[in-house]
Amino acid sequence: ETGVTQSPTHLIKTRGQQVTLRCSSQSGHNTVSWYQQALGQGPQFIFQYYREEENGRGNFPPRFSGLQFPNYSSELNVNALELDDSALYLCASSFLQGPQHFGDGTRLSIL
Amino acid sequence: GESVGLHLPTLSVQEGDNSIINCAYSNSASDYFIWYKQESGKGPQFIIDIRSNMDKRQGQRVTVLLNKTVKHLSLQIAATQPGDSAVYFCAENTLNTGNQFYFGTGTSLTVIP
Repeated sequence: ETGVTQSPTHLIKTRGQQVTLRCSSQSGHNTVSWYQQALGQGPQFIFQYYREEENGRGNFPPRFSGLQFPNYSSELNVNALELDDSALYLCASSFLQGPQHFGDGTRLSIL
Repeated sequence: GESVGLHLPTLSVQEGDNSIINCAYSNSASDYFIWYKQESGKGPQFIIDIRSNMDKRQGQRVTVLLNKTVKHLSLQIAATQPGDSAVYFCAENTLNTGNQFYFGTGTSLTVIP
């Protein structure tokens, strides 16, 4: 059984740029959720995708957007990057209403 | 808004002792809870979950207790090992409002050999 994989593992961007992060779901899972984890904090929910549609969103601005593909993989896009966007971005896959299983994240640094 | 908190930010235990990590939640409608372990440089790893129709659930060396009356959750680790050193998060969810989990700030467990 293949777990959740995320790419890239690390990324450095400058303010104002755009970034795309990628996630491959654990085999069989149909739901992907994205979280932002600041240093020393717990993960914060960004949004979830189920059947290629957004299925819930946390308190994040519209410049955070996502996609889910027919194979259940997903992308997180962030436009107009700000310094506060520096964080670990985590992807979790699951069955809808099941336990979420996380990848190891993408560490995004904004200069 | 949601509030999931932990009583102690750090915990140190001797190898072989039992560990207890506590978590308080504020939403009485929460009905699904998960404990995660996060090691440095890695994503959260699922340990054990419990739904609100249960008050206790056991796994391998771990037990989760749920007290809905006082909105409290605990994780007990038996015979703690150095490999258990990590940050532990409780996460809660209200199933009928989607699959958004709210995480606490975490407890850092250090096992002393």
